Amino acid sequence: DIVMTQSPDSLAVSLGERATISCKSSQSVLYSPNNRNYLAWYQQKPGQPPKVLIYWASTRESGVPDRFSGSGSGTDFTLTISSLQAEDVAVYYCQQYYSTPFTFGPGTKVEIK
Amino acid sequence: EVQLVESGGGLVQPGGSLRLSCAASGFTFSSYWMQWVRQAPGKGLMWVSRIKSDGGSISYADSVKGRFTISRDNAKNTLYLQMNSLRAEDTAIYYCARGEQWMSAWGQGTLVTVSS
Repeated sequence: DIVMTQSPDSLAVSLGERATISCKSSQSVLYSPNNRNYLAWYQQKPGQPPKVLIYWASTRESGVPDRFSGSGSGTDFTLTISSLQAEDVAVYYCQQYYSTPFTFGPGTKVEIK
Repeated sequence: EVQLVESGGGLVQPGGSLRLSCAASGFTFSSYWMQWVRQAPGKGLMWVSRIKSDGGSISYADSVKGRFTISRDNAKNTLYLQMNSLRAEDTAIYYCARGEQWMSAWGQGTLVTVSS
């Protein structure tokens, strides 16, 4: 199974400042024939189901604000919130879909400083 | 509007069974792969199972293989998860989600509690 790790476990960022979350996979999720990274990012607010933000490591889901961006390749990925808003308080998860069983990172909790 | 509504959760004793349902609307259900993901209270997300649009391909997490069965009825726009031999560690909110790879839409979830 591919193990996903995230850092930090939590972070507190001032409104308008940048938040950066790291996600690492135990093996590459880059599929060479199509040069795609099989990685998604989700946001989960308290009491709500998760919501996809990013897929293919850097493609923003329709309707997701452009302050959210994803980057990285192979085994190392980053989710960046360029200017944190109050409504971004949530837990963020990365997920690999390169192979089953699909696996999620443990989550990063983002709060307002 | 895409809607996924889970039902069938509840309190069950260890060793018991439950069948979860997920009613889909707002999209062509028969064209989409579907998945189940669970979340233990206060914990992270765990993928459970996936089924192809026509039911022809199915995968499970090792921890539920042999105990859980995913299925679908495309005529009823409904996804199912039959859960047998339930254990305390199966206690979680169970979400159904749309998608073959990433999960593009999620239901609100149904809580399954396994306890004596």
